[in-house]
Amino acid sequence: DAKTTQPTSMDCAEGRAANLPCNHSTISGNEYVYWYRQIHSQGPQYIIHGLKNNETNEMASLIITEDRKSSTLILPHATLRDTAVYYCIVRVYNFNKFYFGSGTKLNVKP
Amino acid sequence: DGGITQSPKYLFRKEGQNVTLSCEQNLNHDAMYWYRQDPGQGLRLIYYSQIVNDFQKGDIAEGYSVSREKKESFPLTVTSAQKNPTAFYLCASSIEGEVGPQHFGDGTRLSIL
Repeated sequence: DAKTTQPTSMDCAEGRAANLPCNHSTISGNEYVYWYRQIHSQGPQYIIHGLKNNETNEMASLIITEDRKSSTLILPHATLRDTAVYYCIVRVYNFNKFYFGSGTKLNVKP
Repeated sequence: DGGITQSPKYLFRKEGQNVTLSCEQNLNHDAMYWYRQDPGQGLRLIYYSQIVNDFQKGDIAEGYSVSREKKESFPLTVTSAQKNPTAFYLCASSIEGEVGPQHFGDGTRLSIL
């Protein structure tokens, strides 16, 4: 599976958009990009996933570059409750193994 | 509500003792997983099962065992052979063969007495 690279930590002001980058330069054509987040001492929470088109749901937007080597998760109006570790994962379609890296610690500040 | 239930939330093990962590799901998912998380680290796959009565080792299976006798249950036993068992253990499930996400329980924190 392709590996991902994320910044260790990021800060964001409350009410502003949080843009979390992820590099997956070795991604294959059949690998999807998933984003999860984990609040301390809880299980990871699914946010969004995509293959090559941009995706949006009630939680976030996922922007995947045309060459698919990187992506950005956008939380449009960050709140204090969005403070968490965000994981970017690539996964082969129809293969149920997810590889979690160390993620990005997002600190939303008042 | 549908979901994944892990129990207990906290567990203490004495040296040389086996302990079993429970994971139950009512999502009707075929696939289930066990992960281990150490402080400040990501998740590492211990075992996974794609169907009842079948399971495969993940990346760090040594010192652990599992069973999958029922679709809704996937218990993990941490054996005495696991020399560093203190960690946060997470169970997950997903629909087999689809691109949908894994759904996670809230974890069991295991400590050594």
